[in-house]
Amino acid sequence: EPEVTQTPSHQVTQMGQEVILRCVPISNHLYFYWYRQILGQKVEFLVSFYNNEISEKSEIFDDQFSVERPDGSNFTLKIRSTKLEDSAMYFCASNRDPNEKLFFGSGTQLSVL
Amino acid sequence: RKEVEQDPGPFNVPEGATVAFNCTYSNSASQSFFWYRQDCRKEPKLLMSVYSSGNEDGRFTAQLNRASQYISLLIRDSKLSDSATYLCVVFSNDYKLSFGAGTTVTVRA
Repeated sequence: EPEVTQTPSHQVTQMGQEVILRCVPISNHLYFYWYRQILGQKVEFLVSFYNNEISEKSEIFDDQFSVERPDGSNFTLKIRSTKLEDSAMYFCASNRDPNEKLFFGSGTQLSVL
Repeated sequence: RKEVEQDPGPFNVPEGATVAFNCTYSNSASQSFFWYRQDCRKEPKLLMSVYSSGNEDGRFTAQLNRASQYISLLIRDSKLSDSATYLCVVFSNDYKLSFGAGTTVTVRA
């Protein structure tokens, strides 16, 4: 079965540093998402992306965050200047249609020290 | 009011028991509904979609009640491997998927 892949699985960074989380969505999917989950809390929506632009973003997704689809396969999330509270598991997801089931990657655990 | 609300549990049940729980949603225009399962520190995985007429997949039964704006999940003959957090996911007509906080189920031997 095709799957969403994310790298790295773990990322440790110093506060104030920039990080880029990488995702390869399923190849025939058109809608891409980033979610995060702080330990012990619910899955939170960050941003959705379609047709090379952001279609929706949450209040969490402030100016420190950006997304990019630099080529035909990768979908990245950049956090410009990380804060301690950015420590979380970040999940990438994709689907063919927003009304259809969502496929998640295995996540990147980000730890900001 | 939260968009999607779930009883956090935990539901602690013996093997073989039946466990059921609900999820309420606030947007009456919501179109699609899903139950995902999440194991500790893993990604959510689709358990089943929820159809208007209700649907069953093995030991799992999902129901939708549009009038009262809730969906339910029932697990029959619980197995130890059913221990997980069950996430309710609702797709509304503004192209947004909303997640509930999850219901934790623990099945004991």
